[in-house]
Amino acid sequence: GQNIDQPTEMTATEGAIVQINCTYQTSGFNGLFWYQQHAGEAPTFLSYNVLDGLEEKGRFSSFLSRSKGYSYLLLKELQMKDSASYLCAVMDSNYQLIWGAGTKLIIKP
Amino acid sequence: GAVVSQHPSRVICKSGTSVKIECRSLDFQATTMFWYRQFPKKSLMLMATSNEGSKATYEQGVEKDKFLINHASLTLSTLTVTSAHPEDSSFYICSAKELADYNEQFFGPGTRLTVL
Repeated sequence: GQNIDQPTEMTATEGAIVQINCTYQTSGFNGLFWYQQHAGEAPTFLSYNVLDGLEEKGRFSSFLSRSKGYSYLLLKELQMKDSASYLCAVMDSNYQLIWGAGTKLIIKP
Repeated sequence: GAVVSQHPSRVICKSGTSVKIECRSLDFQATTMFWYRQFPKKSLMLMATSNEGSKATYEQGVEKDKFLINHASLTLSTLTVTSAHPEDSSFYICSAKELADYNEQFFGPGTRLTVL
């Protein structure tokens, strides 16, 4: 079956760095997405990785290793507004998104 | 660019009534639209995929007669929850893809449905 695993909840301190991991097992691979979702709102796009390596976009970076079925989202200089759920999603061979359950990130002052 | 709107943002209805939710791509043509539902503290669950001008493809376990999807134009898809019951209360989110070979999906703001 297809499976996306990510931690349920993480806590970090304002100004610090946090890494949210995602491992996946899917039928085929056409890219991995990270989305941010605040409570009661729809997800917003953060990053897309289809090749191995690190993609940096401001305070957020995303890494992919296709051979290991592994990705992480790195958030630097954490701000209180970064408190949200972070969803990892993989596009399979049918171009369908398979979603992880999300990681709730709690930022403490 | 790439804005998707949903209407209504919040709806409360009585059990047994039908509710229609609209999803519009405002500044692009959406060849494919997706409908998701999300229960509190749970991940997104894909309900169906619709391509403009053709019938929607429903995920296993989703009743096509209960959740009617129409994608009549390249900018509009509708989801109608027929004979709604309290267990249908959820957050419904649509997303849209601009081109058939472009992977990113753009999400609407979601519709909170509460069935009394």
